[in-house]
Amino acid sequence: GQQVMQIPQYQHVQEGEDFTTYCNSSTTLSNIQWYKQRPGGHPVFLIQLVKSGEVKKQKRLTFQFGEAKKNSSLHITATQTTDVGTYFCAGRGTSGSRLTFGEGTQLTVNP
Amino acid sequence: DVKVTQSSRYLVKRTGEKVFLECVQDMDHENMFWYRQDPGLGLRLIYFSYDVKMKEKGDIPEGYSVSREKKERFSLILESASTNQTSMYLCASSGDPLYTQYFGPGTRLTVL
Repeated sequence: GQQVMQIPQYQHVQEGEDFTTYCNSSTTLSNIQWYKQRPGGHPVFLIQLVKSGEVKKQKRLTFQFGEAKKNSSLHITATQTTDVGTYFCAGRGTSGSRLTFGEGTQLTVNP
Repeated sequence: DVKVTQSSRYLVKRTGEKVFLECVQDMDHENMFWYRQDPGLGLRLIYFSYDVKMKEKGDIPEGYSVSREKKERFSLILESASTNQTSMYLCASSGDPLYTQYFGPGTRLTVL
């Protein structure tokens, strides 16, 4: 079945440093979504990427979808303490609404 | 705003008990999902449903069953709880064109 792997599992940064998490799928995806889960909270949708090579930005967050639609990345520029949480990628296959989630990257930001 | 509610935030049960976890969404979504979340393993899909009375197994259905008698409600049942089912259980629903998943607050289940 479809597998989605995410690295790193943990990342500790100083406030102001950049952060990147990477997501790789074992199969070609129709689209990929990113979610953020704050400590003690539940995952909240951030964005969806659909097109090969697509790049989207949300303020300091940059999301990329690979040319082969098998990998994706989330980059945060100049992290802030409000960025703390676990970031999940979730890939959708070629049919249906089911998502396969990566293991998540837990980000800690030291002030 | 979509609202997904779960019956309990915290639950403590004993081994062998039958456990019901309930999830209700208020957006008339067709799709509903049950996940469990464990450290280092991300979100793993237990069961999902595309419509009333319809269910499909996810990646880890063993030891679980589900019920969807009404569109807004999706229940997860642990027929005989075991200690390895101690986990955070998250319900989600989706129904918009992006298939965005909206999550409930989660139920942290401890089986003693």
